[in-house]
Amino acid sequence: GQQLNQSPQSMFIQEGEDVSMNCTSSSIFNTWLWYKQEPGEGPVLLIALYKAGELTSNGRLTAQFGITRKDSFLNISASIPSDVGIYFCAGQLLTDSWGKLQFGAGTQVVVTP
Amino acid sequence: EAQVTQNPRYLITVTGKKLTVTCSQNMNHEYMSWYRQDPGLGLRQIYYSMNVEVTDKGDVPEGYKVSRKEKRNFPLILESPSPNQTSLYFCASSLSGPRGDEQFFGPGTRLTVL
Repeated sequence: GQQLNQSPQSMFIQEGEDVSMNCTSSSIFNTWLWYKQEPGEGPVLLIALYKAGELTSNGRLTAQFGITRKDSFLNISASIPSDVGIYFCAGQLLTDSWGKLQFGAGTQVVVTP
Repeated sequence: EAQVTQNPRYLITVTGKKLTVTCSQNMNHEYMSWYRQDPGLGLRQIYYSMNVEVTDKGDVPEGYKVSRKEKRNFPLILESPSPNQTSLYFCASSLSGPRGDEQFFGPGTRLTVL
């Protein structure tokens, strides 16, 4: 079953504001992933994290792999209208053949002009 | 263009009427998977396939069947759909194994079972 707690569930923000969301788990993961899903589309990978403490950026997006390996954070700076969508975290336990992905419930982001 | 395609994109059906949702990928990927997405629950894996003729259950396999006769296709079959299978379904594929950082998702199929 689902073991990832993602918060907040939704965010209504004004254009230009920063956005922060996080994911916590009772399990330790070797890989944390952040996806974005736009209406009518499938999830698209934004950032992949592979090491505890790792901080990775992709444009205005920054994600961190928590030191405990049980959490991860995603920040979006200076939001713009096209940031609208659902953001999902996913954790994966690395084994010889890669473990199953576990997804958070998602954070709905709405950006108003 | 590398892609995962699903058909149909939208489907409204009635309880008990068998249906198939097709999934096809053109990237020669070995691993394919089906997920369902429900509000507040994120994506949950239904079935996956590591390669041709190799399939296995995910977290929520009840009421679903799959087959993997060819590498590129991975259809999802609902033999007797019920209203609790109303959901948004995604097919995904990756080169080898369920690598989240390599996984491509299809555009989704929105299914409503009346």
